[in-house]
Amino acid sequence: NAGVTQTPKFRVLKTGQSMTLLCAQDMNHEYMYWYRQDPGMGLRLIHYSVGEGTTAKGEVPDGYNVSRLKKQNFLLGLESAAPSQTSVYFCASSYDPRGLSNQPQHFGDGTRLSIL
Amino acid sequence: DAKTTQPTSMDCAEGRAANLPCNHSTISGNEYVYWYRQIHSQGPQYIIHGLKNNETNEMASLIITEDRKSSTLILPHATLRDTAVYYCIVRAADYKLSFGAGTTVTVRA
Repeated sequence: NAGVTQTPKFRVLKTGQSMTLLCAQDMNHEYMYWYRQDPGMGLRLIHYSVGEGTTAKGEVPDGYNVSRLKKQNFLLGLESAAPSQTSVYFCASSYDPRGLSNQPQHFGDGTRLSIL
Repeated sequence: DAKTTQPTSMDCAEGRAANLPCNHSTISGNEYVYWYRQIHSQGPQYIIHGLKNNETNEMASLIITEDRKSSTLILPHATLRDTAVYYCIVRAADYKLSFGAGTTVTVRA
């Protein structure tokens, strides 16, 4: 049982390049999330998904797009990378928290992205 | 979501109990208290959560005051591997976790 797996672990991009970060979970969780963490700061929510085929904006969605074509995968895309997007990106997943339970989020180990 | 207040940092001796306080005076009746930790360069790790009653699992205990305005995370026998940033978060049954600055805990031999 791998939990939440993020690919790649490290990447360096040039300004203007595009890339996709992949998050995969094997726990059959409904909800998935993308966060970014900048030095000395807490995590900030970028986008999230409540189920296959659905996505929604979080706190800092500008410059990012996401897709959830399969329940187990959540993709984060940068169409035109900017230096301000240099950060560590974390993916997480959880059970459906529709008030029936308050299950915790399970995190991957992150993708370290540098934009030059 | 209710705002939380935690000390910036604290030290703990290896083998002793570590008591991490958190104030959440504006917590609502349906908001849970969650604790996560983040060890350097790793993803956040869930520790424990609770609503009203005290909770215990294999990692820690969570003590919530009767008025629910504050709580304490207890690591019963701290080890060097418990050195991390600990986050206290309160939220209702929705999608969002709001991570503040947390408490940097350093366990010393």
